[in-house]
Amino acid sequence: ETGVTQSPTHLIKTRGQQVTLRCSSQSGHNTVSWYQQALGQGPQFIFQYYREEENGRGNFPPRFSGLQFPNYSSELNVNALELDDSALYLCASSLDGNSYNEQFFGPGTRLTVL
Amino acid sequence: AQRVTQPEKLLSVFKGAPVELKCNYSYSGSPELFWYVQYSRQRLQLLLRHISRESIKGFTADLNKGETSFHLKKPFAQEEDSAMYYCALSAGSQGNLIFGKGTKLSVKP
Repeated sequence: ETGVTQSPTHLIKTRGQQVTLRCSSQSGHNTVSWYQQALGQGPQFIFQYYREEENGRGNFPPRFSGLQFPNYSSELNVNALELDDSALYLCASSLDGNSYNEQFFGPGTRLTVL
Repeated sequence: AQRVTQPEKLLSVFKGAPVELKCNYSYSGSPELFWYVQYSRQRLQLLLRHISRESIKGFTADLNKGETSFHLKKPFAQEEDSAMYYCALSAGSQGNLIFGKGTKLSVKP
């Protein structure tokens, strides 16, 4: 069984640029959730994808967008980067996008915006 | 508003002492609550969930709807329990989690 993987591990961008982060879900999982974790804070829900459709969204602006592919891997895209976007981005995979199933987290991508 | 509060940023205890990590929540519906843990250099992982009513690594947590709390307890702390602990609330049918800010538990020898 393969765990959740994320790429890249670290990334440095400048304000105004765009970034794409990638996540491969655990084998057998069809749901991916993305979280932003600022320094000293708990993870904050961005959105969730279930079977290639957005299945819930947190309080993030539209410049945060996502995609899920037929193999259930997922991308998080952030346009017009701001300094406050600097954070650890976590993805988590689960089965069937419901609240009963455990979410398995990846190691995260550390994004720094200068 | 849905919210999870962990009042302690850091909790330091000696090995063998009891430990209680506090978690309070605000949610209008029927809550589903979880404790996630992150050990040093490891990824965030589920420790336990209230619906399972189980004990994991000696930890238990009881949901108290009257006090809107879900405190994590262990009678005898071990050094390997040192980690970052996050309380989380499942909001909505999609299962998206609302996390507290976390409590760092340090167990001294």
